[in-house]
Amino acid sequence: DSGVTQTPKHLITATGQRVTLRCSPRSGDLSVYWYQQSLDQGLQFLIQYYNGEERAKGNILERFSAQQFPDLHSELNLSSLELGDSALYFCASSVDRGTYNEQFFGPGTRLTVL
Amino acid sequence: AQSVTQPDIHITVSEGASLELRCNYSYGATPYLFWYVQSPGQGLQLLLKYFSGDTLVQGIKGFEAEFKRSQSSFNLRKPSVHWSDAAEYFCAVGANNAGNMLTFGGGTRLMVKP
Repeated sequence: DSGVTQTPKHLITATGQRVTLRCSPRSGDLSVYWYQQSLDQGLQFLIQYYNGEERAKGNILERFSAQQFPDLHSELNLSSLELGDSALYFCASSVDRGTYNEQFFGPGTRLTVL
Repeated sequence: AQSVTQPDIHITVSEGASLELRCNYSYGATPYLFWYVQSPGQGLQLLLKYFSGDTLVQGIKGFEAEFKRSQSSFNLRKPSVHWSDAAEYFCAVGANNAGNMLTFGGGTRLMVKP
């Protein structure tokens, strides 16, 4: 158990819908990262938040957005869903103070768009 | 931009045999290198990491990896594979810049023959 929690574990929805994925980082970790794992794209970095502020953006679609709240939990919002958005979405967290710190991954949320 | 290549998509070894999974990276500065393992339906577990210092790093579950700067490689090894090692293995490079996101290789799926 990494200490990072993600809910829900599974999500099944229809095209055009909107969903919210939730992540709680390890206690004391300030950074939250979102990654997408799909069969055709592999594991891709989406976005990072550090202490409530967006720090880095990767291959995140405009239909997707995220935020980090004052208690440091984060939510990833996916809207106007398409079949191709079906994937495993991972959240990771790290301390990110000073030098590089390793990331700890949650169990993921499996999204299926029908 | 950094990139990671795992040349072997699938590898099959017999139980008790030795294992080497290849990883090549591209990064302009000293890289932060990681190996993660993903069992079916599970999240990502960190096996080992290289930040600096000794180029041979030991990890969990009897794994080790060697950083070779001249070859831009960070190969994962295990002297004797167990059936429970069957999983997908990901090599990743971390960037030490404003965002510490990970860039992953495509993964190597390891199958273990009895």
